[in-house]
Amino acid sequence: DQQVKQNSPSLSVQEGRISILNCDYTNSMFDYFLWYKKYPAEGPTFLISISSIKDKNEDGRFTVFLNKSAKHLSLHIVPSQPGDSAVYFCAASIQGGSEKLVFGKGTKLTVNP
Amino acid sequence: TAGITQAPTSQILAAGRSMTLRCTQDMRHNAMYWYRQDLGLGLRLIHYSNTAGTTGKGEVPDGYSVSRANTDDFPLTLASAVPSQTSVYFCASSEMLGSNIQYFGAGTRLSVL
Repeated sequence: DQQVKQNSPSLSVQEGRISILNCDYTNSMFDYFLWYKKYPAEGPTFLISISSIKDKNEDGRFTVFLNKSAKHLSLHIVPSQPGDSAVYFCAASIQGGSEKLVFGKGTKLTVNP
Repeated sequence: TAGITQAPTSQILAAGRSMTLRCTQDMRHNAMYWYRQDLGLGLRLIHYSNTAGTTGKGEVPDGYSVSRANTDDFPLTLASAVPSQTSVYFCASSEMLGSNIQYFGAGTRLSVL
């Protein structure tokens, strides 16, 4: 049973436009969500996170939105740059416990010049 | 700061042979993890360790074993490799189990023939 779902395996966007990556989860106990970015031949690196007490968190060009009622979060990248081309993983956890991160399958973003 | 160091970076292994993937961290993190990444399946947790001396099973532990003799090292052993263990393996660490941000190594690409 997949608890964290990224239903789009890939996304292609033009440079300068907005990229929107989506993630859905099924476990209502999840209260902390993260996005990781992965370049080829490198390990995933932490990008941005959001706690369930918020519905938005912004860091430069990256904004994560959380809709708890829909069990849905999204990552917005504005404006998109070719260097943003990578695989993006959504992850979820339960804060304060001993639960591990649960990752989605990832979405490959390609930003075309 | 090196962070997480994995070795080797890649390996070709004959089926039936054993191999140990090495992972060392210099951040004095208590928790460490092993994931495998397969196309279309994302990151799946193999084993984890809460602290030196303790380990636990993740989502896909069969065919793998781990040990945690000290804080810094968390080797992953394949006792008798099979072709289905062909994958990219990532080691990660976090301050504590349940600490949400995990830091990843660059990965080991393993091919079992």
